[in-house]
Amino acid sequence: NAGVTQTPKFRVLKTGQSMTLLCAQDMNHEYMYWYRQDPGMGLRLIHYSVGEGTTAKGEVPDGYNVSRLKKQNFLLGLESAAPSQTSVYFCASSLDPGYEQYFGPGTRLTVT
Amino acid sequence: RKEVEQDPGPFNVPEGATVAFNCTYSNSASQSFFWYRQDCRKEPKLLMSVYSSGNEDGRFTAQLNRASQYISLLIRDSKLSDSATYLCVVTDNYGQNFVFGPGTRLSVLP
Repeated sequence: NAGVTQTPKFRVLKTGQSMTLLCAQDMNHEYMYWYRQDPGMGLRLIHYSVGEGTTAKGEVPDGYNVSRLKKQNFLLGLESAAPSQTSVYFCASSLDPGYEQYFGPGTRLTVT
Repeated sequence: RKEVEQDPGPFNVPEGATVAFNCTYSNSASQSFFWYRQDCRKEPKLLMSVYSSGNEDGRFTAQLNRASQYISLLIRDSKLSDSATYLCVVTDNYGQNFVFGPGTRLSVLP
């Protein structure tokens, strides 16, 4: 039982490049979330999903896209990376919004 | 006004001290409340849920005041291992999303 895993752990991109961050959970959770964490800002919700095939925008969705084709996976895409997207990205899942969120170890992304 | 606000910190306390963290939230329709702990360069992990009647887990006590939209966390007999950032978390009025406060950093000193 691995919980929530994220791939990759670190990445450096040049401005304009694209990439996809993968989140996987093996707890059969319906809800999955992508956050970014910046110094002094706390965690901010980018996109979330309430089930397979569904996605919705969070607080800071611009510049990101997501897909949830399989229940266990939630992908976060950056089509054209910008230096403002330099951050630590966390994926999380939960059985229900009123219950605990389980987080992945994070992806540290630097855009130069 | 931010949705969730916390003491700015950092808090530097000696071992054995009692420390209290405060959190206020703006959405009166929030339904669920939590305290998470985040160690440096690690992911957040649930410390405890917060119930209307208040709840205790060992050295940790959490309280909720819905009328004042205020949550607190009390740590008694603090240990070096309690050093971390403490995040206050509430759900939004749709009950689908978690809103995180900016966190309060605690350093427990020997």
